[in-house]
Amino acid sequence: AQSVTQLDSQVPVFEEAPVELRCNYSSSVSVYLFWYVQYPNQGLQLLLKYLSGSTLVESINGFEAEFNKSQTSFHLRKPSVHISDTAEYFCAVTSYSSASKIIFGSGTRLSIRP
Amino acid sequence: DVKVTQSSRYLVKRTGEKVFLECVQDMDHENMFWYRQDPGLGLRLIYFSYDVKMKEKGDIPEGYSVSREKKERFSLILESASTNQTSMYLCASSQGRETGELFFGEGSRLTVL
Repeated sequence: AQSVTQLDSQVPVFEEAPVELRCNYSSSVSVYLFWYVQYPNQGLQLLLKYLSGSTLVESINGFEAEFNKSQTSFHLRKPSVHISDTAEYFCAVTSYSSASKIIFGSGTRLSIRP
Repeated sequence: DVKVTQSSRYLVKRTGEKVFLECVQDMDHENMFWYRQDPGLGLRLIYFSYDVKMKEKGDIPEGYSVSREKKERFSLILESASTNQTSMYLCASSQGRETGELFFGEGSRLTVL
């Protein structure tokens, strides 16, 4: 069985500052990893994903995440945040053998201060 | 673009009422899911379906049932609503079993009084 831990429930940062949202997973098999974002009053949407290949994956709006197998982590980073990045971010994991069943972390609420 | 539509954004029901939450997707996806979202708990899987008339229990199925009579529609049913079922309910769909990418509706916020 897989599990996901997001270590921070809330992360406040100033606009244009860098940010890292932490995610650790637990699994006995090979995994796919995801970050989803939920803007206020909306459903979740995929931000980026790691399936295979390069361990560094990027989104179209400047976020990136690195798959670290030895540390079982998939932290999300952005070098300079914008007010529009205010949202809740969810890390998620699934396994090759059960790719339809995705397990989500508890979420990290990112708040940006001007 | 994939669109997942949940019929009601906000509902208020009384304890003991039967509640139907409807979800429709327009991309011919095989898989459909119902999640419950609560602060500090993230998303928890209630039920999912790989095909028409097929369903499997997720992590918290107690107090819920589902129906999938057509490929595009997946309904969540609360047979007798209780106050601890007050929550945000999210429907999602995905294609195949390889990539696991989910497409979500905007959610249905249910309040049970």
